[in-house]
Formats: sequence, structure tokens, C-alpha cells
Amino acid sequence: KQEVTQIPAALSVPEGENLVLNCSFTDSAIYNLQWFRQDPGKGLTSLLLIQSSQREQTSGRLNASLDKSSGRSTLYIAASQPGDSATYLCAVRQGSGGSNYKLTFGKGTLLTVNP
Amino acid sequence: SAVISQKPSRDICQRGTSLTIQCQVDSQVTMMFWYRQQPGQSLTLIATANQGSEATYESGFVIDKFPISRPNLTFSTLTVSNMSPEDSSIYLCSATPRTGPLSNTEAFFGQGTRLTVV
Repeated sequence: KQEVTQIPAALSVPEGENLVLNCSFTDSAIYNLQWFRQDPGKGLTSLLLIQSSQREQTSGRLNASLDKSSGRSTLYIAASQPGDSATYLCAVRQGSGGSNYKLTFGKGTLLTVNP
Repeated sequence: SAVISQKPSRDICQRGTSLTIQCQVDSQVTMMFWYRQQPGQSLTLIATANQGSEATYESGFVIDKFPISRPNLTFSTLTVSNMSPEDSSIYLCSATPRTGPLSNTEAFFGQGTRLTVV
């Protein structure tokens, strides 16, 4: 059974700092990994999708890496801003066993960027 | 990409009643899913909504409690039946367009329905 772990559970940083969020997964047979942002009480916004054959993806100040063999991904946020404050979720799409291609989520990292 | 409209955005319901949540996608999608997010927790998959056939439920979720319809490739409903306070959660609809290899399938989410059962 796939398990996704995110570290740290919470992070508080001053504005302007660069930061790294970590995600690990136990079964490397995945199709892809996706990072999401969730604001309090809201739905999920897709940030980056990394295919299993890719090593990294970039979008603006965000950079996500994937090391499939070791079961790890990182989300790097450059020059953080108060508007980046949210919960960041990592999810992997299953790649085998008739799993209906579902996503398995981590518990998220709650990020607070202080002005 | 896909834009997903989910309604209602929130509701407060009496225990023992049922609530139906609607999910409309702006394009035809292959896969649609329903998730539950309990307070302070991550997302748990309830079921995969299959077009034209019965939904596929995850362990711990049953059709009598969470009946799902999917009459076409752009619309689905989730009903939370005979509600109790333990059903208070955010319910989220997700759609995954599949236009190429599975490795390139990106999931999109609605804004969620915040349900409080009193």
C-alpha cells in the first residue's frame, strides 16, 4: 500500500526566505507526482506535475524535483511572500495493480510566511 | 486543463438528512473522483465515479452511505446519506483529463463543499 509522508508538518519563515518542502513515498511504481496548494477551507490548486520519467519541473518561483528510485520529491520556493502562506500537498498517482489510477496524498505542510 | 464547479460551497445540515453535491466540469474527462477531507487531515478517496456504471468505492466507503451518479463525461453527484456529525468534512470533486499517456495526467479539483452536520 502506497504511503506518502511530508516533512515538516508546519513551517514558519520570514518573507524573502528560500525554503524546501519534502515529500517521500514508499512505492516507486508511480505514473507521476503532483504538488498542490490548499488555502484554508478551500479546494486544491495544482502547482506542478512531474512525470515519472522527469527529474524536475519549474513554474515561476517554484521548482519541484523527483527522485523516483529513492521515493523522494522536494518543492523549492524562492523568495517567499506572505501570499505563499497555505498548506502544500504532495500526491502520487499509482502505477500498478488495478488501482484505477488514483492519487495518494500526504498530510501536507502548513507554510506561514511572515511579513 | 479542466475547470470544475462544485456546489453547494457549504451547508449546515440536520443529522439524519441527506445532501447531494454536484460537480460540473467544463470539458469531457475520463476520470472523476470524490474525496473527503476531515478536519485537520489530508484527502481520502471515497470512490471513482465511472461514466455509465456503478462507482468504484474504496475500503471503508459504501454505496448506501455515499451514492454516486455520473450520467455523462462532464457531470457527477455525490450524496451523503443519513448524516451524522462525524460526516462533517470538506468533500472535493476531482477530474483528470486523459489526452495522452497516464504519466501526463494532471488532477484538477473543485473548490470543495464544506459540510457541517448538527
